Amino acid sequence: QVLLQESGPGLVKPSETLSLTCSVSSGSIKMNYWSWIRQSPGQGLEWIGNIYYSGTTNYNPSLKSRVTISVDPSKNQFSLRLNSVTAADTAVYFCARGQLWNGGLYFDNWGQGTLVTVSA
Amino acid sequence: EIVLTQSPGTLSLSPGESATLSCRASQSFSSSHLAWYRQTPGQAPRLLIYATSRRATGIPDRFSGSGSGTDFTLTISRLEPEDFAVYFCHQYAGALYTFGQGTKLEIK
Repeated sequence: QVLLQESGPGLVKPSETLSLTCSVSSGSIKMNYWSWIRQSPGQGLEWIGNIYYSGTTNYNPSLKSRVTISVDPSKNQFSLRLNSVTAADTAVYFCARGQLWNGGLYFDNWGQGTLVTVSA
Repeated sequence: EIVLTQSPGTLSLSPGESATLSCRASQSFSSSHLAWYRQTPGQAPRLLIYATSRRATGIPDRFSGSGSGTDFTLTISRLEPEDFAVYFCHQYAGALYTFGQGTKLEIK
């Protein structure tokens, strides 16, 4: 079973950029899809986007203008950047591995999650 | 966007009983694209079922999924203490993935 671990600042100021990294261990980042998902009390679980190890991305349309997901196969890591954050972006952020099934992805391995608070 | 509505919001049962959780979609999609997860407090969701009825690795056969079109069901038989948690359905059809709001299964 692959292990995922999120890392990054737990506090981000409004209008700044949220940056998180997910480190993958006990498995390779290659030949897989990787995702970011967040969870807030008011919004429940929200899919942010996916990346294939080769770099191909898909984003939630509601966040697309502010999100960048990237991958570094040499470090077995992938990352999330979310620009111009507001209090509404306060959430627990999870990274996860996506498994392709008939053209869609379900998530079979998750990191433990990291709380990011947006506040001045 | 496919909106998933789960019911009931909270289900109170005793260990050993069976639970039936519902997930209804705002539009029809392939049963290949429906998953269920369980989440305990402070933990990440854990995959239980994918493609409506396929159990994930290590998930006991007490868990079963069914459904098609817009109506999907997760059934848990012989409830054990670790089953009392929040359950989410998830659709991965199309370009936008969404989750239900969750059903909390609590000890009666």
